[in-house]
Amino acid sequence: GAGVSQSPSNKVTEKGKDVELRCDPISGHTALYWYRQRLGQGLEFLIYFQGNSAPDKSGLPSDRFSAERTGESVSTLTIQRTQQEDSAVYLCASSPRTGTLNQPQHFGDGTRLSIL
Amino acid sequence: AQSVTQLDSHVSVSEGTPVLLRCNYSSSYSPSLFWYVQHPNKGLQLLLKYTSAATLVKGINGFEAEFKKSETSFHLTKPSAHMSDAAEYFCVVSGNTGRRALTFGSGTRLQVQP
Repeated sequence: GAGVSQSPSNKVTEKGKDVELRCDPISGHTALYWYRQRLGQGLEFLIYFQGNSAPDKSGLPSDRFSAERTGESVSTLTIQRTQQEDSAVYLCASSPRTGTLNQPQHFGDGTRLSIL
Repeated sequence: AQSVTQLDSHVSVSEGTPVLLRCNYSSSYSPSLFWYVQHPNKGLQLLLKYTSAATLVKGINGFEAEFKKSETSFHLTKPSAHMSDAAEYFCVVSGNTGRRALTFGSGTRLQVQP
């Protein structure tokens, strides 16, 4: 598989539970991005990684949201004490480098998160 | 700061007729502009990008877009719609060197009638 892979594809959980969403970027891509897409809306930026560090966390909506990346590869987005407003599709994207801003981002198919 | 406005939330065309999806942007920097397409339950696929070379950009599947600085527009067009073009289309700007992420428009849902 040469594309960005996200798991699980669907997640249903009860309000108050913690969830972990996983992203495997394209091999060799140094930049990794997380976005949230609420129903019928565009994408909201959450966080960006350059290598294993996150220079821009400005989009995280609350301290219940956190993310990490290891080995300059896999990233995990964690939502603690989930709320119903967290229901959305969470999309991950990667790009080869961030030296220029015209690098297109390659997206995974997303994780559809539903909070009951 | 930068922003993107997609002027139509829904566009409906008949198969074989032209498609026009409108996008206006604002950016404090020289922007890079993209159009992405999202089919149901799928991630986003890049259609085309503008990066300060030719103002008329050709993309995949017969789509093209023209960058007009004076109008701050980047409208997406296709001469003849196919049923398979039915999807959500996002106009995207990248140009703020302080943020590495993209700024997305709210999307335009394209319906293609037989």
